[in-house]
Amino acid sequence: AQRVTQPEKLLSVFKGAPVELKCNYSYSGSPELFWYVQYSRQRLQLLLRHISRESIKGFTADLNKGETSFHLKKPFAQEEDSAMYYCALRSQGGSEKLVFGKGTKLTVNP
Amino acid sequence: DAEITQSPRHKITETGRQVTLACHQTWNHNNMFWYRQDLGHGLRLIHYSYGVQDTNKGEVSDGYSVSRSNTEDLPLTLESAASSQTSVYFCASSADRDSAEAFFGQGTRLTVV
Repeated sequence: AQRVTQPEKLLSVFKGAPVELKCNYSYSGSPELFWYVQYSRQRLQLLLRHISRESIKGFTADLNKGETSFHLKKPFAQEEDSAMYYCALRSQGGSEKLVFGKGTKLTVNP
Repeated sequence: DAEITQSPRHKITETGRQVTLACHQTWNHNNMFWYRQDLGHGLRLIHYSYGVQDTNKGEVSDGYSVSRSNTEDLPLTLESAASSQTSVYFCASSADRDSAEAFFGQGTRLTVV
């Protein structure tokens, strides 16, 4: 069974501080990992996918298959990063369901 | 521009009534999903479809049903609304290829009184 664990419900940092949102997954097959973000009063939107290995809005995430983790990192948090962040997993192949973690609410204080 | 829309945005209904939430996408995506979002539970999958006439149960499907008669629409029906179904409901769609992005609707806030 697919499972995504985000251990922190809430995370609060100060502007300019590094931030790391943790995500661990459980899946025996070949997973695809994603980070989705939901800003206040907006719909969920894709932030990162592991396959692209890119930096979006200063965020990066590396898939570590040995530790079954896909942590989201940013070296210098900004106030506009305050949002709800969801880690998601899907089996490779495209036509598979997307399973989400419970989310982490990030607050960046001035 | 292609999009995915949900209606209504807000709905208040009484316990025991049947309610249908609409989801319409113009991406021509085969995959469509319904989630509910609750504090402390994140997004939980209710039902999903990989194409016309295909429907599948998710982890919290009891009390819900869907039908897929065309590519664009996946309506979600609450057969007999219960207070436990008070939630925010999100519809999503994605293409059936590796690493395809899921596009979400704006959400429907449903209150069952």
